[in-house]
Amino acid sequence: DIQMTQSPSSLSASVADRVTITCRASQSISSYLNWYQQKPGQAPELLISAASSLQSGVPSRFSGSGSGTDFTLTISSLQPEDFATYYCQQSYNTPSTFGQGTRLEIK
Amino acid sequence: EVQLVESGGGLVQPGRSLRLSCAASGFSFDDSAMHWVRQAPGKGLEWVSGISWNSGSIGYVDSVKGRFTISRDNAKNSLYLQMNSLTAEDTALYYCAKGPFYGSGSYCNGWGQGTLVTVSS
Repeated sequence: DIQMTQSPSSLSASVADRVTITCRASQSISSYLNWYQQKPGQAPELLISAASSLQSGVPSRFSGSGSGTDFTLTISSLQPEDFATYYCQQSYNTPSTFGQGTRLEIK
Repeated sequence: EVQLVESGGGLVQPGRSLRLSCAASGFSFDDSAMHWVRQAPGKGLEWVSGISWNSGSIGYVDSVKGRFTISRDNAKNSLYLQMNSLTAEDTALYYCAKGPFYGSGSYCNGWGQGTLVTVSS
C-alpha cells in the first residue's frame, strides 16, 4: 500500500498567517492527490482534488501543488474558520490511503 | 442538496456481524461511485471500501478483505457494508461518501455524518 506522510503533524499559527502543509507519498502517485478539511465533530470536506483543482465553493486562499511524490497545501491568509485538521489522500491505486493529518491550531 | 444518512451502527461483541446502510438523496446516485471511510476515536481517516456506479469495480483495504462486503442498490439509492468477524480494531465512526467515479483520481465530494460502530464484549 502507498504510505502518505504529512508534515507537520500539528501547527500553531495566527490569523492572517500564510501556512503550508506538506504531504509525501511513498511512491509516485502522479497528481492523484486530494486534500480534505475536518473540523471537530464534523465530517471531512473536500478542498482540492487532483493536487491543485480547487473545489467549487472553497475560498481561493486555499491552493494545492505538486506531483509525483511531493505535494503541498497552502493557505495564503489564515481565517478563524480555517483552524481544523487537514488530510491528504492518494487515489492513485487501491487501497486509497490518507495521511495521518495535520492539526492546525490557533497561536 | 446532497444528503447521505448512515445507519446500522451500534455496540457489537467481537466476532459478531453488523450491516451498515447509507441512504442517499439530492444527487444522481446511480451515476456516482460510493465509499466507506472510517475514523477510530481520536484518530485519522481510513478508507475502507469503494464501489463503482454499476458495482463492476470494488475495492477494500487489506485489513477488512474477506470480512467486509460492500454493495449498493441503485433502485433504492442505498449503499451497504456487511461487516463480519468484527474485532476491536473495527471500532470507529463509519462515513458514507460519494464521488464522481471509481478508480485512479477518485475523490469524495460528499459525506454523511457517520454511524458509530463499537466492538466490545
